[in-house]
Amino acid sequence: EDQVTQSPEALRLQEGESSSLNCSYTVSGLRGLFWYRQDPGKGPEFLFTLYSAGEEKEKERLKATLTKKESFLHITAPKPEDSATYLCAVHRTDKLIFGTGTRLQVFP
Amino acid sequence: GAGVSQSPSNKVTEKGKDVELRCDPISGHTALYWYRQSLGQGLEFLIYFQGNSAPDKSGLPSDRFSAERTGGSVSTLTIQRTQQEDSAVYLCASSLKNEQFFGPGTRLTVL
Repeated sequence: EDQVTQSPEALRLQEGESSSLNCSYTVSGLRGLFWYRQDPGKGPEFLFTLYSAGEEKEKERLKATLTKKESFLHITAPKPEDSATYLCAVHRTDKLIFGTGTRLQVFP
Repeated sequence: GAGVSQSPSNKVTEKGKDVELRCDPISGHTALYWYRQSLGQGLEFLIYFQGNSAPDKSGLPSDRFSAERTGGSVSTLTIQRTQQEDSAVYLCASSLKNEQFFGPGTRLTVL
């Protein structure tokens, strides 16, 4: 059965304290792994797509990496405005299967 | 350019009433998706349209749920005889290739 598990469920960081979010997945026929950011009361905002093991993508303080079983979202020197829920999803036959997200809070 | 828009942003209804939720995708996007996000749970796939046809309706939770898309653009999700467990945020997304872009959602509350 296709499954996406994200950890931790919640993460509290001090401003400038780097960390990583984990997304473990089992899916047959992976067509891409996606990271989204979701702010309260809003729809998910697209961040990255990764297609093959070893691939990395960066955007500002965020870097996403992919292996055959998991993906990491690394946050370097986070700022309070990075506070949000980060969602991971795998693309399977034209639909996305989402994890339950990591709620990140960054304190000044 | 305009993103995905959804209306209404909030809907409060009484148990047993029918509701219609609307989604306007990004212009030119051929694929359209509906998801449901319940409190404390991940996004749950409901239905997918390619053009006006729905090749995958596997996520619709019951026959009270239906959706249509006309003109390869606007889509409506209809929930008949709403139940309290239908309370959730209903999200629409559209895509041209692989990346799906989401609207702000409709928060449905069934009293």
